[in-house]
Amino acid sequence: GAGVSQSPSNKVTEKGKDVELRCDPISGHTALYWYRQSLGQGLEFLIYFQGNSAPDKSGLPSDRFSAERTGGSVSTLTIQRTQQEDSAVYLCASSPRAGLGRGYTFGSGTRLTVV
Amino acid sequence: SQELEQSPQSLIVQEGKNLTINCTSSKTLYGLYWYKQKYGEGLIFLMMLQKGGEEKSHEKITAKLDEKKQQSSLHITASQPSHAGIYLCGADLNTDKLIFGTGTRLQVFP
Repeated sequence: GAGVSQSPSNKVTEKGKDVELRCDPISGHTALYWYRQSLGQGLEFLIYFQGNSAPDKSGLPSDRFSAERTGGSVSTLTIQRTQQEDSAVYLCASSPRAGLGRGYTFGSGTRLTVV
Repeated sequence: SQELEQSPQSLIVQEGKNLTINCTSSKTLYGLYWYKQKYGEGLIFLMMLQKGGEEKSHEKITAKLDEKKQQSSLHITASQPSHAGIYLCGADLNTDKLIFGTGTRLQVFP
């Protein structure tokens, strides 16, 4: 596609429910990143995929968070047993190759609200 | 991130005024990226700096990376309402991912 696509754009869920957030990167981009932006905070790194390499999961805040990337393209971020502190905007980005080059292209994000 | 400090956190300026946003790293920067974010939207890439002393400009926005490659500044000349938004710096610390500052919220009033 022309840009990074994320869905849904907004998600309201009840505490304790599981949610799945989807990211469709730019075609051909081998690197894919997930970040979280809480109210008044900067972007917090969550996880990074590069080609077929093992993902860098060092930013995942707890074992309730997981992500996968199928076929080197679409990625899904799953949050199990959601808590109110999970409320945030979840941003996905992709870049053309290993290393950062010109930086990332970001999606518009998924705004998650846990009630 | 404590590795990257951005200041000020918030800025309110009158249209036509100049302003500067700073981004300071506790580690050597292998690259420094400036992004702008509007409410409800993703981040828009502005500029990338890699070499110590490098300076880049785009329209009325100029960004610099200091010689020691640990600080960058973003300067807007003659600000306009269209410049309003959140400005974020992203640091390449040689870890294959960007670490971001907390952002600067800019408001420009007529």
